[in-house]
Amino acid sequence: DAKTTQPPSMDCAEGRAANLPCNHSTISGNEYVYWYRQIHSQGPQYIIHGLKNNETNEMASLIITEDRKSSTLILPHATLRDTAVYYCIAVSFLQGGSEKLVFGKGTKLTVNP
Amino acid sequence: EAGVTQFPSHSVIEKGQTVTLRCDPISGHDNLYWYRRVMGKEIKFLLHFVKESKQDESGMPNNRFLAERTGGTYSTLKVQPAELEDSGVYFCASRDTDGAYEQYFGPGTRLTVT
Repeated sequence: DAKTTQPPSMDCAEGRAANLPCNHSTISGNEYVYWYRQIHSQGPQYIIHGLKNNETNEMASLIITEDRKSSTLILPHATLRDTAVYYCIAVSFLQGGSEKLVFGKGTKLTVNP
Repeated sequence: EAGVTQFPSHSVIEKGQTVTLRCDPISGHDNLYWYRRVMGKEIKFLLHFVKESKQDESGMPNNRFLAERTGGTYSTLKVQPAELEDSGVYFCASRDTDGAYEQYFGPGTRLTVT
């Protein structure tokens, strides 16, 4: 079972910031928070990941609360092409462990013109 | 750099037949994963190779599924005999060992068992 919970759907206006929340209150100290998205029926696409600190790359920003129980993915200027299902996933990289991604239902983000 | 490729993109077979799916990871990626999404369900992990060794095959549904990665390059996933409930989209992903932790996914193979 997924260790994260996300709202099933969200809407955002084109050009505005999209803020996607994720709760992971049972995440352990060695688990990273990963975000992927799936556009239509394509393969999932990596967006960003973090452990404790906030992270930013060319696609998005990731804000992780100090207690690590929740995080927010921010798409600063959403476009129609950002319409997709977004997945928040907790991943462990312990030596010899499984690094499998456990996908939940994700958040269906619809960017409206 | 070429991405993860999968072949075929779509396969339609009859119940009881055999199908082999192929995945070519990004060159140099030691880690290779198989996932699948069956109708109406979430994407589920099947197994993880490190080079030619199976690191984790806890997600393989039953012994009708056989995954191989001879030589540590491309991988095949054979379903024999196929059942109706095997229909879905099979994704392959690969990851470099050093540094980056993200998995890169292929476009998937849509399998339809009739």
